[in-house]
Amino acid sequence: AQSVTQLDSQVPVFEEAPVELRCNYSSSVSVYLFWYVQYPNQGLQLLLKYLSGSTLVESINGFEAEFNKSQTSFHLRKPSVHISDTAEYFCAVSETGGFKTIFGAGTRLFVKA
Amino acid sequence: EAGVAQSPRYKIIEKRQSVAFWCNPISGHATLYWYQQILGQGPKLLIQFQNNGVVDDSQLPKDRFSAERLKGVDSTLKIQPAKLEDSAVYLCASSLVTNTEAFFGQGTRLTVV
Repeated sequence: AQSVTQLDSQVPVFEEAPVELRCNYSSSVSVYLFWYVQYPNQGLQLLLKYLSGSTLVESINGFEAEFNKSQTSFHLRKPSVHISDTAEYFCAVSETGGFKTIFGAGTRLFVKA
Repeated sequence: EAGVAQSPRYKIIEKRQSVAFWCNPISGHATLYWYQQILGQGPKLLIQFQNNGVVDDSQLPKDRFSAERLKGVDSTLKIQPAKLEDSAVYLCASSLVTNTEAFFGQGTRLTVV
């Protein structure tokens, strides 16, 4: 069965600084990987996904994540964060051909002015 | 395109009472999910439907929780009787293809007192 570990529960960072939110997964088969973002009192929204092809995927608001199969990681990065990026970020994994998507515990990104 | 609709947004009940949540997924989405999100944790899958059949309900506490999906469209999740530990946000999501991108509703915040 697959599992997801988000290594940091909280990440405080100053505005315009770079940030990396770490995600590691465990699975015996090939996987799909996702990052979702949750703003206060909202549901989750897909930020970006890896299904196949290029291991580097990007979102429309400047985030990117790289699938590293050898390290079983899918870390999320942004070179310069904004106050509006303050939210909770969830990494998720599902096994190709499987039925279940497993979510990590989340990382709270707090961007300070 | 309309998103996933959930109601109510908030509910406060006393322990041992019953409660029901409603979800209307995005039109044409065959897969529907109910997640429980306890404060500070990632979403935990309670039940997953493919059309009106149950694909996974391994983490649904069946002695008190029940769910149905009528005609493969709307779904209701019921808790009877509620316990204090059921206080959480209940998220409904749907997807066109199982285990790829899921679209989430805003959730129902349940407080059991």
